[in-house]
Amino acid sequence: DTAVSQTPKYLVTQMGNDKSIKCEQNLGHDTMYWYKQDSKKFLKIMFSYNNKELIINETVPNRFSPKSPDKAHLNLHINSLELGDSAVYFCASSQGPGSEQYFGPGTRLTVT
Amino acid sequence: KNEVEQSPQNLTAQEGEFITINCSYSVGISALHWLQQHPGGGIVSLFMLSSGKKKHGRLIATINIQEKHSSLHITASHPRDSAVYICAATTGNQFYFGTGTSLTVIP
Repeated sequence: DTAVSQTPKYLVTQMGNDKSIKCEQNLGHDTMYWYKQDSKKFLKIMFSYNNKELIINETVPNRFSPKSPDKAHLNLHINSLELGDSAVYFCASSQGPGSEQYFGPGTRLTVT
Repeated sequence: KNEVEQSPQNLTAQEGEFITINCSYSVGISALHWLQQHPGGGIVSLFMLSSGKKKHGRLIATINIQEKHSSLHITASHPRDSAVYICAATTGNQFYFGTGTSLTVIP
């Protein structure tokens, strides 16, 4: 069984659209994360939730909004997509903040 | 200047060689993570350490808190070790990532 899953795996969409990426973990972890990996392969944290509460909110455009309906899910909604949003987005979870993380397979977003 | 610096950026080794990747950080940390990203894109956490040394198979990670430095060693390297290795320092609520070391092990 997959520990951290993301859907979709690939997402191609046009500028201006709104899209969501879903993340689910079945590890019973309290903390979940969203990362963005750009074309230069640099990994950058975007958000972190602990027990459904936002604890890390890096400087990202407010077009990006995380939603955590429960501890096992952390979805990422992106409004008014721009070309620069094209990247691979990784979800991860850990037992607690700063603990060892388990990563999802990534979602490759392409904005045309 | 990045809070976390890795070296080298790129590394090519012959199969069987001993490999060392270095990570220096400038922030006070609660833990240091080593991640491995496979050519296919998947990311795996290798180690999380806050002091001393950890070993897992052919991989060894060390950290010197006073010198703010960590190393990842791979003994008897193998082509399947070819990947990008990423160092990340955390203060609990903040994460600082290195730019990664791309390792290629040639048979």
